[in-house]
Amino acid sequence: QVQLQESGPGLVKPSETLSLTCRVSGGSIRSYYWSWIRQPAGKGLEWIGRIYTSESTKYNPSLKSRVTMSLDTSKNQFYLKLSSVTAADTAVYYCARGDLAGGTTYFFDYWGQGIPVTVSS
Amino acid sequence: SSELTQDPGVSVALGQTVRITCQGDSLRRYYASWYQQKPGQAPVLVIYGQNNRPSGIPDRFSGSNSGNTASLTITGARAEDEADYYCNSRDSSGNNLEVFGTGTKVTVL
Repeated sequence: QVQLQESGPGLVKPSETLSLTCRVSGGSIRSYYWSWIRQPAGKGLEWIGRIYTSESTKYNPSLKSRVTMSLDTSKNQFYLKLSSVTAADTAVYYCARGDLAGGTTYFFDYWGQGIPVTVSS
Repeated sequence: SSELTQDPGVSVALGQTVRITCQGDSLRRYYASWYQQKPGQAPVLVIYGQNNRPSGIPDRFSGSNSGNTASLTITGARAEDEADYYCNSRDSSGNNLEVFGTGTKVTVL
């Protein structure tokens, strides 16, 4: 059974960089897409971006200038860095595994439990 | 703003059928996937592709697609189906980016 676990600081100061880690267990990080998704309290889901094993990345255009994703196949982990954070970045952050079926369906089949991150001084 | 639009909320009587829709231009080209999210929990995939259910998802959940609209139907709603439901698909930019729908709160009466 694949499991994902987010980790990182729960409190980040404004203008600093938010750094999160997602540890993948029960399966290899190879051959799948790995995404970060966030959800402000009481609001909907927002896709932040994804990384593939070739280290190709795609980011949400609204966050692209501040986001960096990377992965470490030796540790079976992938990472999120979001720079210059403000209160608007306060949210629960999820990591998720993405898969592609038939070229027309992309879906997230495994999710971490989520980690709440607050941006405040 | 999201490129996938959902009704904010729907209600269904226990045991009845409810359909949740998701509209967007990208759905003419890509299938949607659907996620159930209960308070304080991570989303769970319930439908993907034309009408595929992951292992462990009850068969009362089904999906369909027509034009720019994807639908999730719950046939014989149960109390435990009360949750937020989100659709997801590629966006319409052609850059293979992901987007989520605005979400629908399903209330089981």
